[in-house]
Amino acid sequence: AQSVTQPDIHITVSEGASLELRCNYSYGATPYLFWYVQSPGQGLQLLLKYFSGDTLVQGIKGFEAEFKRSQSSFNLRKPSVHWSDAAEYFCAVALYGQNFVFGPGTRLSVLP
Amino acid sequence: DGGITQSPKYLFRKEGQNVTLSCEQNLNHDAMYWYRQDPGQGLRLIYYSQIVNDFQKGDIAEGYSVSREKKESFPLTVTSAQKNPTAFYLCASSSKFSDRGYGYTFGSGTRLTVV
Repeated sequence: AQSVTQPDIHITVSEGASLELRCNYSYGATPYLFWYVQSPGQGLQLLLKYFSGDTLVQGIKGFEAEFKRSQSSFNLRKPSVHWSDAAEYFCAVALYGQNFVFGPGTRLSVLP
Repeated sequence: DGGITQSPKYLFRKEGQNVTLSCEQNLNHDAMYWYRQDPGQGLRLIYYSQIVNDFQKGDIAEGYSVSREKKESFPLTVTSAQKNPTAFYLCASSSKFSDRGYGYTFGSGTRLTVV
């Protein structure tokens, strides 16, 4: 069955530290890949997306993600976390003509 | 600015009542979606609509109903048959159902609580 996993339910990092959030998918073909961020009580905002080409994609707010076909992964990274990055992060995948499947989310806490 | 407006932001429902959540978009998007979000469970698809006057059930449609009479509007009714309606509800849209390349645009959500 098609699935998206985010192995880390909750991650805590210190402000200024680097960040990597993991996302793995189980699909027969390479899907479209997305990362969204959600602040408490708000909707989801698109951070970045990948569907072909360069496997390292840049997004908003200083985030980037790398697609690794061999590992079926699309991990999100940021070199230096800011307190305002504290939020919930969702990985999402979709095949052409099919609905999105969202991962369960990773909650990020940032220590001052 | 174009976007999706969900209203109300907070909604309280008594046992046995039907309530309707509003979702309006001015993005000229063809497709619209309703998701339910519960803590630790990510987003689950309730209903989606590819075009006006058409909609399909998602993964958890039981106890919910929708309509799509206008391109801009996709209201969700939570009926009394929904046994556990307390949740955060998100509406989203995309330019075309078949084109996932641009992702979804989300509204800011409605928090429904049964009292």
